[in-house]
Amino acid sequence: GAVVSQHPSWVICKSGTSVKIECRSLDFQATTMFWYRQFPKQSLMLMATSNEGSKATYEQGVEKDKFLINHASLTLSTLTVTSAHPEDSSFYICSASKGPDNYGYTFGSGTRLTVV
Amino acid sequence: AQTVTQSQPEMSVQEAETVTLSCTYDTSESDYYLFWYKQPPSRQMILVIRQEAYKQQNATENRFSVNFQKAAKSFSLKISDSQLGDAAMYFCAYRSARYGGATNKLIFGTGTLLAVQP
Repeated sequence: GAVVSQHPSWVICKSGTSVKIECRSLDFQATTMFWYRQFPKQSLMLMATSNEGSKATYEQGVEKDKFLINHASLTLSTLTVTSAHPEDSSFYICSASKGPDNYGYTFGSGTRLTVV
Repeated sequence: AQTVTQSQPEMSVQEAETVTLSCTYDTSESDYYLFWYKQPPSRQMILVIRQEAYKQQNATENRFSVNFQKAAKSFSLKISDSQLGDAAMYFCAYRSARYGGATNKLIFGTGTLLAVQP
């Protein structure tokens, strides 16, 4: 199988602090990982595409300096929410692809971020 | 740009009955993949079924099957013998067949919340 581990599953932080979320592919190498944001009862909104060894590709309207993405290895991508504010509170989900196949993507279990 | 539309925000089905969720998409590409994902209350995204655009045969996975109409750009999901565990949000998704970085992003519809009545 293809397993993606995402940590933490939930986090509460104070306004102005930074929070790092990790996404790991446990049993496969992922050259590309994707980060999504999901508001309650809404669809997944793609924030950025994370490419191993290169800069992430951000979707229009996503602040690069606020949502820092690092994909330092073939099994790990991180999303850091910098200087978090209450409006950053949301559910963040990562996904990873095993490669040029057609099996869709494996998703992490998500991280619920609450900024107080 | 590609878009995915799910016109049914909510659906309800009786246990053991059959329900069909609708999905339409828009693309100028000829080769792509389509998916149905299930998101239960745990919010874990689970792949239900996938379809390659070049295949005419509709995909099936146990109680789940699709009706893929390429010319109409329609991709509906049929759930047979519905079970209480099928209650979830269902998302239709599109992915380009071209490989490389952001081109492989999944484009999601807005979702259909399925309730299963006992």
